[in-house]
This record gives sequence, structure tokens and C-alpha cells, in this order.
Amino acid sequence: GNSVTQMEGPVTLSEEAFLTINCTYTATGYPSLFWYVQYPGEGLQLLLKATKADDKGSNKGFEATYRKETTSFHLEKGSVQVSDSAVYFCARSGTAAGNKLTFGGGTRVLVKP
Amino acid sequence: EAGVAQSPRYKIIEKRQSVAFWCNPISGHATLYWYQQILGQGPKLLIQFQNNGVVDDSQLPKDRFSAERLKGVDSTLKIQPAKLEDSAVYLCASAREGGSYGYTFGSGTRLTVV
Repeated sequence: GNSVTQMEGPVTLSEEAFLTINCTYTATGYPSLFWYVQYPGEGLQLLLKATKADDKGSNKGFEATYRKETTSFHLEKGSVQVSDSAVYFCARSGTAAGNKLTFGGGTRVLVKP
Repeated sequence: EAGVAQSPRYKIIEKRQSVAFWCNPISGHATLYWYQQILGQGPKLLIQFQNNGVVDDSQLPKDRFSAERLKGVDSTLKIQPAKLEDSAVYLCASAREGGSYGYTFGSGTRLTVV
């Protein structure tokens, strides 16, 4: 079935450091890919998405490129802030009529001042 | 537009008791999902509705969990009887047809079973 694998955390960084969170997905069909963020005590928020190969999603300084050849959708940010401390989830949509979201296990990111 | 509404926000029950969660999706969203998010894990789909029909309930523990979306709008998820391992956040999400335009999540209901 469909699955998503992302790097385990926690990832601890200093402010202004470069952040990368790796995400790979199973290559069945042509899914849309998403990154969601969950700030402490809050619900899931869509951070960015990409709907086809080579698309780049971007938002709030974060970027991720849909790489079909490597079945990856790695999240990057060039200079993190303390406010970026959160749990980040990579997800893929289905390709059948159901089109449900399948999530990775989440990566906790802690940015220290 | 208004977001996905869920209630209650928190619930504490004893094991073997029953509990119900409510979700009101974004107006016009035909697809509704219930996810279970256990602490430290990613959300796992429990059930998906398209209007008032079930599309996927393969991961729903049907001996204790049930869900309905009678008029194709709001939905209720019930657990009876609850077990300790049901402690989790229950997330409701909605999407337009097919999810191509994105999925919107509610704030969730945090269930603690003691």
C-alpha cells in the first residue's frame, strides 16, 4: 500500500541554521505530496504542497521539490527561527477514488536561540 | 471560509466507557475523514466518507468504533467500549471532491482513557 517515510527526530538546531527533513514515498501512481506542520498545542496546518513531478511547493521560507526519480519530497529552510519549532509531517495523497492522505511519522524540530 | 469544527476539545473517560466526537466540515466539502493520532506518531486514517457514503473504513476497529454521516454534512465518531490504547487525538478533515484542492483539518479532540 501507500506509505511515507520521514527522518526521525528530534532535530535540534540553532537559530539561522539550515534545516532539511528527508521524506520518501511509495511510488504507486501519481500522488500529490504535502508537508503539514503542527505547532505545540495546535492542530495540523498545511505548510506546502506539490501536485506533480518537478513542482516546487513553498511557504514561509520553506521549500520542497517533488522528485519522481528519487520518490522524495524533502523539506528545506535556509534560516530557521525559534518560531519554527514544531512537528513536521510529510504526506501523500492516494490515487484511487478514495484519495486519502497517508502520513509519515513526523519529525520534531527544536530551534534554540 | 469557516474551518472544520470539532467538539469536544478534550475528553477524559474511564476504560469501558463510551464517548462520541462531533465534526462539522467546511461547507460544500463532500469528503470527510476521521484520523487517529497517537502521541508521537503520524495521523492514521480511520474512516473516509464521500457525502454520506463510506469510501474506506479498512482501518476502523469495527468491534468498538463506529461513525456516521447521515445527511452528508456533519459526522459523529463513537467508541464503545473504550480501551486505554484509544488515548489519542482524533482529527477530522474535509476536502472538496477528490482532495486535489487540499485537505483542511480541525483542531482535534484529545481523548484520554484512564
